[in-house]
Amino acid sequence: EDKVVQSPLSLVVHEGDTVTLNCSYEVTNFRSLLWYKQEKKAPTFLFMLTSSGIEKKSGRLSSILDKKELFSILNITATQTGDSAVYLCAVNAGNMLTFGGGTRLMVKP
Amino acid sequence: NAGVTQTPKFQVLKTGQSMTLQCAQDMNHNSMYWYRQDPGMGLRLIYYSASEGTTDKGEVPNGYNVSRLNKREFSLRLESAAPSQTSVYFCASGREWRETQYFGPGTRLLVL
Repeated sequence: EDKVVQSPLSLVVHEGDTVTLNCSYEVTNFRSLLWYKQEKKAPTFLFMLTSSGIEKKSGRLSSILDKKELFSILNITATQTGDSAVYLCAVNAGNMLTFGGGTRLMVKP
Repeated sequence: NAGVTQTPKFQVLKTGQSMTLQCAQDMNHNSMYWYRQDPGMGLRLIYYSASEGTTDKGEVPNGYNVSRLNKREFSLRLESAAPSQTSVYFCASGREWRETQYFGPGTRLLVL
C-alpha cells in the first residue's frame, strides 16, 4: 500500500524564522512528488519534483527531492504570517495522487 | 478563466437523501478527480477520470458514483447519503493524469 508521511504534524515559529518541512514516501511506480499550500479552502500548487537533487525555488520557498532515500523537504526562509497554512505533500504513483496528512504551520508576528 | 469551479459550496442532507456535486473546469484538462478531506485523514481520492469517457475508482469509492459528462464536467453522486460522508469534497483537474492537479474551492457537506 502506498504511503506518504509528513513531519512535523504542526509547527509554530516567529516571523523571520526558517522552517523545513519533511515528506517521506513508500510507493510503487513513483512518478512525481508535489507540494501544496492549503489555507482556508482549496490546496494551491507550489512545486512538482521528478528528479533527485534538483532544487525548485519560488521566492522564499524551495524544495528538493531525494529518490534514493525516498523523501522531500520544503524550506521556507524569512517566514511571514501569510505563510501560515497547512502544507501538503502528495506523491503521484501510477494513476493517482497519495497525500500525506499535512504539516500545519503557524507563523506568529 | 475561472479554473475549477464547484457547486454547491455548502449542503446539508438527511441520511438517505441523494445529491450530486458538480464540477467544471475551463482549462481544457483531460483528467479530473474527486477527493474528500476529513480531519486527520488528509485528502483521499474517491474517483477519477483520466480522460473523457473513462472513470476509475480511487481509494474510497464506496457510496459514490461519478459521471464524466464531457471534457469540462465531472459530477459526483451520493445515492443514499450517510453521516460518514460528512466531509469537504474537492474536485481537481490536470492536463494529463500524471501531471499537476489544480483544485476547486470545495463543497462542504453535512449529513445528519
